[in-house]
Amino acid sequence: AQSVTQPDIHITVSEGASLELRCNYSYGATPYLFWYVQSPGQGLQLLLKYFSGDTLVQGIKGFEAEFKRSQSSFNLRKPSVHWSDAAEYFCAVGGGADGLTFGKGTHLIIQP
Amino acid sequence: DTAVSQTPKYLVTQMGNDKSIKCEQNLGHDTMYWYKQDSKKFLKIMFSYNNKELIINETVPNRFSPKSPDKAHLNLHINSLELGDSAVYFCASTTRLAGDNEQFFGPGTRLTVL
Repeated sequence: AQSVTQPDIHITVSEGASLELRCNYSYGATPYLFWYVQSPGQGLQLLLKYFSGDTLVQGIKGFEAEFKRSQSSFNLRKPSVHWSDAAEYFCAVGGGADGLTFGKGTHLIIQP
Repeated sequence: DTAVSQTPKYLVTQMGNDKSIKCEQNLGHDTMYWYKQDSKKFLKIMFSYNNKELIINETVPNRFSPKSPDKAHLNLHINSLELGDSAVYFCASTTRLAGDNEQFFGPGTRLTVL
């Protein structure tokens, strides 16, 4: 069965500092991987996705993620965070008939 | 020009009632889903529906039933509502033709059962 682990429930980062959110997955085949962001009271917005090709994926809002098969990881990074990045971040794997399997999310807090 | 829409946005109801949430997508997608986000923000797949093939997550009570009048719509009907059904419900859609499994989500319906 597929699964996703986001080990950090909360992360606090100072505005302007770099960010890395961790994601580990378990999947039987070549994974389809996604990062979504959810602002309070809002829906899910796709930041980026990986399913083949270059293992370093660029997304919207200055985010990027790197797929590392040997570590079963798909960590999300941003070189310099802005106060507007404060939100809940979800890593997900899969899709197709079985739908997406989400991690439990990481709550990002930005300190001024 | 909303891609995936849901109605209503908020739904407050009493225990024991029956309610429906509607979902429509105008993306020409062939597969639609319902997800439940609980109070701890955990998102879990409930159903996927493609060309009349319904795949049900085994943990979903049979009080929940998806109904698809056509490819652009997947409604969620809930019978005998319970307190534990309070959650945010998200509809999503995708097309297998794209080959990347990207799903487009609706804005969510916040259901509160009193």
